[in-house]
Amino acid sequence: ELKVEQNPLFLSMQEGKNYTIYCNYSTTSDRLYWYRQDPGKSLESLFVLLSNGAVKQEGRLMASLDTKARLSTLHITAAVHDLSATYFCAVVWAGTYKYIFGTGTRLKVLA
Amino acid sequence: DTGVSQDPRHKITKRGQNVTFRCDPISEHNRLYWYRQTLGQGPEFLTYFQNEAQLEKSRLLSDRFSAERPKGSFSTLEIQRTEQGDSAMYLCASSLWGPNTEAFFGQGTRLTVV
Repeated sequence: ELKVEQNPLFLSMQEGKNYTIYCNYSTTSDRLYWYRQDPGKSLESLFVLLSNGAVKQEGRLMASLDTKARLSTLHITAAVHDLSATYFCAVVWAGTYKYIFGTGTRLKVLA
Repeated sequence: DTGVSQDPRHKITKRGQNVTFRCDPISEHNRLYWYRQTLGQGPEFLTYFQNEAQLEKSRLLSDRFSAERPKGSFSTLEIQRTEQGDSAMYLCASSLWGPNTEAFFGQGTRLTVV
């Protein structure tokens, strides 16, 4: 069964600092998604990573995918308060169209 | 608004009652998913449809849960004889058919069983 793990689970960081969130998954997949969720809200799509070595950037966030290591990273550059949210990675299980979500990383950026 | 629409947004029900939620996907999206999310957890897969066909249902889903997508457009999720453990956010998502598409989520229905 496909398992998706994120770390850290909680992250408190100062504005202006950099940090990386990690997403590991247990079986073969070549599609990985990052979503953002604000408290009480639904999920907002951030990045779609479809191949080994894929890198996507939007503003202060950059996501990458290494399918051989079964690892994706979400890098935050010069964090600002507006980035405070919970971030989920989701992996599509090969042979199905089922999205399996990670445990989430709750990010709090302190002013 | 052309996004995924869910109704109702909030539902409070007494234990033992039946509830039904509705999801209207993005127009022309063939796939429709239902997920459940409890506080502090990631969304948990419940079931998904390709057009009107229900292709997979989670083994964790009890027989009290049933979902339909009768004409391949909107979908309903029914929970019979609700229990307090059913309290959660129920999320619907839709996507186009194909290997490289992404799922778009609705605002969710928050169920509270008292």
